[in-house]
Amino acid sequence: KAGVTQTPRYLIKTRGQQVTLSCSPISGHRSVSWYQQTPGQGLQFLFEYFSETQRNKGNFPGRFSGRQFSNSRSEMNVSTLELGDSALYLCASSSAGAHNTEAFFGQGTRLTVV
Amino acid sequence: AQSVAQPEDQVNVAEGNPLTVKCTYSVSGNPYLFWYVQYPNRGLQFLLKYITGDNLVKGSYGFEAEFNKSQTSFHLKKPSALVSDSALYFCAVRDRGSNSGYALNFGKGTSLLVTP
Repeated sequence: KAGVTQTPRYLIKTRGQQVTLSCSPISGHRSVSWYQQTPGQGLQFLFEYFSETQRNKGNFPGRFSGRQFSNSRSEMNVSTLELGDSALYLCASSSAGAHNTEAFFGQGTRLTVV
Repeated sequence: AQSVAQPEDQVNVAEGNPLTVKCTYSVSGNPYLFWYVQYPNRGLQFLLKYITGDNLVKGSYGFEAEFNKSQTSFHLKKPSALVSDSALYFCAVRDRGSNSGYALNFGKGTSLLVTP
């Protein structure tokens, strides 16, 4: 069974630009969550999508948005990039079977804003 | 509100010695508890979880964790450390509430260094 796939792995963008990151969950998983990891703030929850609907949202500005498609693939978008958006963005997928299920993470997209 | 504390930024242990990585949590009700490990430039790998029942949970790569409800702790342990265990370890909690989705609340992480 293939794992969680995130593309691209690395990205360099200029301040003010926008960026789209992609995540393909494990086959059959309907929940996709996004996290931002930085040295200063650690791992912070961005949002979760389930069956194409945003089910939960963290404390991030509206510049951060996401969506989920009918095949459970998800994208997140960051508009008007700031230097502080430089981070490792991690996607995680979970099966819909039970609330106690673990999340499986992709290898992440390393975003650098210059 | 949920919170997770990993009081040690770094833990150093000699190979072959037992290791403990500490985690305490502060949540309402009984959360689900998880441990993940991260190697450099990689995503997180699931190690183990506590749902209910036996307070000692066994996981991957010889790791185990002890749930202590009275102390609200979920410390990660391994009887004999390996150099290859050197990595960043994260404790996480998830609310049992049906409205909370599958979001995980992570601790700051503990860097484990195992020396030969």
